[in-house]
Amino acid sequence: KQEVTQIPAALSVPEGENLVLNCSFTDSAIYNLQWFRQDPGKGLTSLLLIQSSQREQTSGRLNASLDKSSGRSTLYIAASQPGDSATYLCAVGDGTYKYIFGTGTRLKVLA
Amino acid sequence: ETGVTQTPRHLVMGMTNKKSLKCEQHLGHNAMYWYKQSAKKPLELMFVYNFKEQTENNSVPSRFSPECPNSSHLFLHLHTLQPEDSALYLCASSQVTVDTEAFFGQGTRLTVV
Repeated sequence: KQEVTQIPAALSVPEGENLVLNCSFTDSAIYNLQWFRQDPGKGLTSLLLIQSSQREQTSGRLNASLDKSSGRSTLYIAASQPGDSATYLCAVGDGTYKYIFGTGTRLKVLA
Repeated sequence: ETGVTQTPRHLVMGMTNKKSLKCEQHLGHNAMYWYKQSAKKPLELMFVYNFKEQTENNSVPSRFSPECPNSSHLFLHLHTLQPEDSALYLCASSQVTVDTEAFFGQGTRLTVV
């Protein structure tokens, strides 16, 4: 059974810092991995989708990498801003249209 | 705006009430999902519909009853809920392909009293 873990559970950084969020999964037979952002009490906003054949994806200040063999993905946020404060979730797609989610990393960027 | 709309955004209901959550997607997708998000727990998949047919029921109690009349609409009918059912209920949609990307609605915050 696929399990997804995100470390750390919470993170507080000063504005301007570069940071890395981690996601690990137990079964490397995934089809894709998606990173989401969730603001308090709100739905999920898709940030980046990495297919199993890809190693990384970039969007603006965000860069996500995927290492299937080691069961890891990282989300790199450059030059963090207070507006980046949110919970970041990773989810792995198992090829049957289902996503298995981690518990998320709650990020706070201090002005 | 993700293209997936959920109503209502907030709902308070008693344990003997019957209510329904609605989800509508404007993305032309053919798969729709209900997820439950409780505090300190990962999102839990509840139901999956592909081309209006239910393909997944993740051991969800019968007090939750989904309905998918067409590929654009998904309902979750609620009756005789328990306080522990209080959570954020999220609807999502995607294409039925293995490399699909999921899009989520804003959720319905449900409180059972």
